[in-house]
Amino acid sequence: AQKVTQAQTEISVVEKEDVTLDCVYETRDTTYYLFWYKQPPSGELVFLIRRNSFDEQNEISGRYSWNFQKSTSSFNFTITASQVVDSAVYFCALSEDFGNEKLTFGTGTRLTIIP
Amino acid sequence: NAGVTQTPKFQVLKTGQSMTLQCAQDMNHEYMSWYRQDPGMGLRLIHYSVGAGITDQGEVPNGYNVSRSTTEDFPLRLLSAAPSQTSVYFCASSPRVGYEQYFGPGTRLTVT
Repeated sequence: AQKVTQAQTEISVVEKEDVTLDCVYETRDTTYYLFWYKQPPSGELVFLIRRNSFDEQNEISGRYSWNFQKSTSSFNFTITASQVVDSAVYFCALSEDFGNEKLTFGTGTRLTIIP
Repeated sequence: NAGVTQTPKFQVLKTGQSMTLQCAQDMNHEYMSWYRQDPGMGLRLIHYSVGAGITDQGEVPNGYNVSRSTTEDFPLRLLSAAPSQTSVYFCASSPRVGYEQYFGPGTRLTVT
């Protein structure tokens, strides 16, 4: 069965600090997809990134970067020079490929950026 | 293009009442799903559908029914509401499995 673990329940950092959110996953499939979503205080779910299991290249998008390591089954998310607007709950999620059309979420990490 | 819409935004029910949460999408997505979000538990899949006429159970299906008569609509029915169903419900759609899911704004349901 697929599983996603976000061990950090809450993190607080001072504005402009860098912060890394951890995500560890379990799956028996060789083809799978990993996602990060952001849920700001307003409550909506905002898609941030999708990565398939065959693409281990790290990705950078502005202040956001993602480190995908199959050897450790991790898909960590780093925010550089954090801002107050980054305060939100962040969810990591996993979807297996053929025969299992289900998205499994981690329990989320609440990130608070202190001005 | 409205994306994924959900109604109502808020609902209060008494124990034993039934109701339907509505979900619609205008992106012609085949895949739709319902999740519930509870504090400390992330989002858990209730039911999902891979196309009109096809539905299946997720992780927490008990007490809920779904149907998918059209590509656009995927209503979630609470048969006999219980306080344990107090939660925020999200509907989502995706063009296919493995692609990003687009979420509706959510319905906050309280069962007293």
